[in-house]
Amino acid sequence: AQTVTQSQPEMSVQEAETVTLSCTYDTSESDYYLFWYKQPPSRQMILVIRQEAYKQQNATENRFSVNFQKAAKSFSLKISDSQLGDAAMYFCAYRVLFKAAGNKLTFGGGTRVLVKP
Amino acid sequence: DTEVTQTPKHLVMGMTNKKSLKCEQHMGHRAMYWYKQKAKKPPELMFVYSYEKLSINESVPSRFSPECPNSSLLNLHLHALQPEDSALYLCASSQGMAGASYEQFFGPGTRLTVL
Repeated sequence: AQTVTQSQPEMSVQEAETVTLSCTYDTSESDYYLFWYKQPPSRQMILVIRQEAYKQQNATENRFSVNFQKAAKSFSLKISDSQLGDAAMYFCAYRVLFKAAGNKLTFGGGTRVLVKP
Repeated sequence: DTEVTQTPKHLVMGMTNKKSLKCEQHMGHRAMYWYKQKAKKPPELMFVYSYEKLSINESVPSRFSPECPNSSLLNLHLHALQPEDSALYLCASSQGMAGASYEQFFGPGTRLTVL
């Protein structure tokens, strides 16, 4: 079974600084997707960034970037130039590709990000 | 329109009540999902509908009964719930099931309290 682990329950960052969130996963699959989702206090889950396992290049979306290490099964998220609106719970998620169970996400336990002004 | 809507936002019910949660999307998505999220925990998948047919049931108790009347609507019927069923219930949708980049879009959730 696939498992996703986020070892940092909470991270604090100063506004405009950089913070890195850790995520490791366990799988025997070779094709899969990894995601970072953000859940602000308003509760709506929003996709931040996505990484395809077959791509060696790390994904970036504006101030958000990932460090994907497939052999180490590691998928960290870097938030640069942190803003107050980045404060939220961040979930790392794994999705199996092209399986009968289809689009099933497995989430990590979450990391709460606090942004200090 | 990239929105998934859920009603009601909040629901308080007794253990003998029957109630329903509603989810709607107009993105033409053919897969819809129900998740349960307890406080400070990640979402846990309950059900998946693909093309209006139930494709995944994660061994959810029968007091939760999903229904997909059409491709835009997903309901979750609740009956004889227990206090431990109190949680945030999230609905999500995606373009399909097994496609390469079928991102799941989440609704804002229904906060359910069972007394």
